[in-house]
Amino acid sequence: KQEVTQIPAALSVPEGENLVLNCSFTDSAIYNLQWFRQDPGKGLTSLLLIQSSQREQTSGRLNASLDKSSGRSTLYIAASQPGDSATYLCAVRPGTYKYIFGTGTRLKVLA
Amino acid sequence: DAGITQSPRHKVTETGTPVTLRCHQTENHRYMYWYRQDPGHGLRLIHYSYGVKDTDKGEVSDGYSVSRSKTEDFLLTLESATSSQTSVYFCAISGAGDREGYGYTFGSGTRLTVV
Repeated sequence: KQEVTQIPAALSVPEGENLVLNCSFTDSAIYNLQWFRQDPGKGLTSLLLIQSSQREQTSGRLNASLDKSSGRSTLYIAASQPGDSATYLCAVRPGTYKYIFGTGTRLKVLA
Repeated sequence: DAGITQSPRHKVTETGTPVTLRCHQTENHRYMYWYRQDPGHGLRLIHYSYGVKDTDKGEVSDGYSVSRSKTEDFLLTLESATSSQTSVYFCAISGAGDREGYGYTFGSGTRLTVV
């Protein structure tokens, strides 16, 4: 059974730091992996989608990498800002039409 | 935004009453999903649909039913609401399920309180 783990569960950093959020999954047979952002009381916003054939995707200050063989993905946030404070979730699509979600990393960027 | 709306946004209902939540999309996507999100449990799949009148259960389907009579609408019904169904409900859509495929787009959520 596919399981998705995100470590750490919470993270607090000063503004301007570069940071890495981790996502690990137990079964490497995935079609793709998606990173989301969720602000308190709000829905999920898609940040990056990495197909199984890709190694990384970039959008602005965000870079996501995927290593299927080791069951790991990282989300790199450059030059963090207070507006980046949110919960970040990763989800893997294990070959069906349904994603499996991690429980998220709650990020706080201090001004 | 991606043309997916949920209604109502908030609802308070009494135990034992039926409740229907609606998800509407304008993207003509084939796949639609209902999730619930609870502290400590993350997002859990309730039901999903892979076409009009084609639905299947997720991991927490007990006490819920769904219907999809049109591509654009996916309804979630709590037959007889219980306090354990107090949660935030999210609808998601996804394009055609080819080998690699599309990601999810989420609605803004419905906050349901059962008293």
